[in-house]
Amino acid sequence: EAGVTQFPSHSVIEKGQTVTLRCDPISGHDNLYWYRRVMGKEIKFLLHFVKESKQDESGMPNNRFLAERTGGTYSTLKVQPAELEDSGVYFCASSQGHPYSGYTFGSGTRLTVV
Amino acid sequence: GQNIDQPTEMTATEGAIVQINCTYQTSGFNGLFWYQQHAGEAPTFLSYNVLDGLEEKGRFSSFLSRSKGYSYLLLKELQMKDSASYLCAVPGGGTYKYIFGTGTRLKVLA
Repeated sequence: EAGVTQFPSHSVIEKGQTVTLRCDPISGHDNLYWYRRVMGKEIKFLLHFVKESKQDESGMPNNRFLAERTGGTYSTLKVQPAELEDSGVYFCASSQGHPYSGYTFGSGTRLTVV
Repeated sequence: GQNIDQPTEMTATEGAIVQINCTYQTSGFNGLFWYQQHAGEAPTFLSYNVLDGLEEKGRFSSFLSRSKGYSYLLLKELQMKDSASYLCAVPGGGTYKYIFGTGTRLKVLA
């Protein structure tokens, strides 16, 4: 089966611009997660979708971040306007049910804000 | 609150055995995960422990002691391809999210 796909793999934007990251989960996985790793720090949870509904968005840093999952398939994470501290690697993951058998992660999008 | 500690870096020799430790503090416990992440790639699932003891999967084993808030990942017969970051994670208290440690970067030398 195809894994979790993220696009783009790298993005370099200027402060104040907008960037949209996309994640295609494994087909049939109702649960989709976004995480972020800032350089030197641990991977941190951003939010969790169940199908098209936001189940938990407690990790979203501020209202410059907007995540959507229309139709319960792929998801987008928009950062508008981007700030320097938004730089990092954004990971998407998906799971069928409760992730006790582990998530499947995508390879991440490396975002650099200059 | 929840906190996870792992060593930042470890170095070992090809063919050797290495033990990567993880200590955690959680409010409630629902198991502990280990993930492997090669540079620039996706983290991949290695193991999930919810009961005390050692679980073996080929060259990799994972141990858990709930009373001590301690786990380790044991890698035997190290190979160059085992050079990667190893991430310890716990579920975030009744939710589907994970709390990750900062990861241990393992370098395997020839």
